[in-house]
Amino acid sequence: EAGVAQSPRYKIIEKRQSVAFWCNPISGHATLYWYQQILGQGPKLLIQFQNNGVVDDSQLPKDRFSAERLKGVDSTLKIQPAKLEDSAVYLCASRAGTRAIRGQYFGPGTRLTVL
Amino acid sequence: EDKVVQSPLSLVVHEGDTVTLNCSYEVTNFRSLLWYKQEKKAPTFLFMLTSSGIEKKSGRLSSILDKKELSSILNITATQTGDSAIYLCAVGGNYGQNFVFGPGTRLSVLP
Repeated sequence: EAGVAQSPRYKIIEKRQSVAFWCNPISGHATLYWYQQILGQGPKLLIQFQNNGVVDDSQLPKDRFSAERLKGVDSTLKIQPAKLEDSAVYLCASRAGTRAIRGQYFGPGTRLTVL
Repeated sequence: EDKVVQSPLSLVVHEGDTVTLNCSYEVTNFRSLLWYKQEKKAPTFLFMLTSSGIEKKSGRLSSILDKKELSSILNITATQTGDSAIYLCAVGGNYGQNFVFGPGTRLSVLP
């Protein structure tokens, strides 16, 4: 089966600019996650979708980050405006359902560098 | 606040050694604990442990969940250089199954 797709793979921007990331989950996976992984740390959940509804966005910095999952399939994560501390790898993951036996499948990630 | 701690944070061994990685957690309404291996790219799934499946094994890797101690270990026997990676522990709590990740253990296996 095709894996989780993300684009772009790398992005370099200057602070205060805007950036958007795209994720296409595994077909049929109802649950989609966006994580931020700062170098040397474990992934931190930003937002979790169940179909096109938000389940958990408690750690999403809503003043600058936004995410949507229209039609319950692919998703976009936006940062506007970016700060230096947003430099990280942004991982998208999907899961068949909240009771799936394998946990999440991760995409390759987008490495963001904010200068 | 849900919390996952891993130890050690870094470990260097030689090929053939056996290693034990530790994960402890404090989460509300524990549902599952997952182990991932992360090389240069995205984490890849190793094991999922739940109340009904507290021990898993795959080849040289095995993992045990201790619900009483709120912890898990990941064992790797006869390590190989290809085992060099960051090993992440993630714990799922509450109905929504959002996962809290630990900081990871960086394992380096020297030839």
